[in-house]
Amino acid sequence: AQKITQTQPGMFVQEKEAVTLDCTYDTSDPSYGLFWYKQPSSGEMIFLIYQGSYDQQNATEGRYSLNFQKARKSANLVISASQLGDSAMYFCAMRELNTGTASKLTFGTGTRLQVTL
Amino acid sequence: EPEVTQTPSHQVTQMGQEVILRCVPISNHLYFYWYRQILGQKVEFLVSFYNNEISEKSEIFDDQFSVERPDGSNFTLKIRSTKLEDSAMYFCASSSGLVRDTQYFGPGTRLLVL
Repeated sequence: AQKITQTQPGMFVQEKEAVTLDCTYDTSDPSYGLFWYKQPSSGEMIFLIYQGSYDQQNATEGRYSLNFQKARKSANLVISASQLGDSAMYFCAMRELNTGTASKLTFGTGTRLQVTL
Repeated sequence: EPEVTQTPSHQVTQMGQEVILRCVPISNHLYFYWYRQILGQKVEFLVSFYNNEISEKSEIFDDQFSVERPDGSNFTLKIRSTKLEDSAMYFCASSSGLVRDTQYFGPGTRLLVL
């Protein structure tokens, strides 16, 4: 069964600094996708970045990048130049791709990031 | 930019009552999902839906739950007889079904069962 672990319940970072949010995963499926979502206090789930298990390069989307270490089964999110608006809950999620195209996302417990002045 | 919409944003109901949560997925998406998030907890999968039938459901999705695509745009989740423990944020999501597939979430419906 697939599993996502986020060991940091909360993190603080100063504005303009970089921060890394940890995510480890476990799956027996060799083909999978890893996702990060942001959940602000308003509650919506905002897609940030995707990494496929066969991707050769780490994914980047603007200030977001994914430090993908396949052998360690980790997919850490790096946010560069933090802004006050980055304060939110961040969820790592995984989808196994060999179980079908409508396969579910499995989420971690999340990390609450607080950006300070 | 196309987005998933959900109505209502908030719903308060009495225990035992039926509720219907509505979603309009992104128009060219083929796969639809419901997830829920109990306050302060992680997001949990309920059900996936494709080609007018359920593809997968979790153990949470018991006989009290049903899903329907009544027309070409709406996707609904019905809870037949609500319980206190059904209080949660319910998210609808949709995806295109491509290999590098991303599920896009709606803003959620916050359900409170009294």
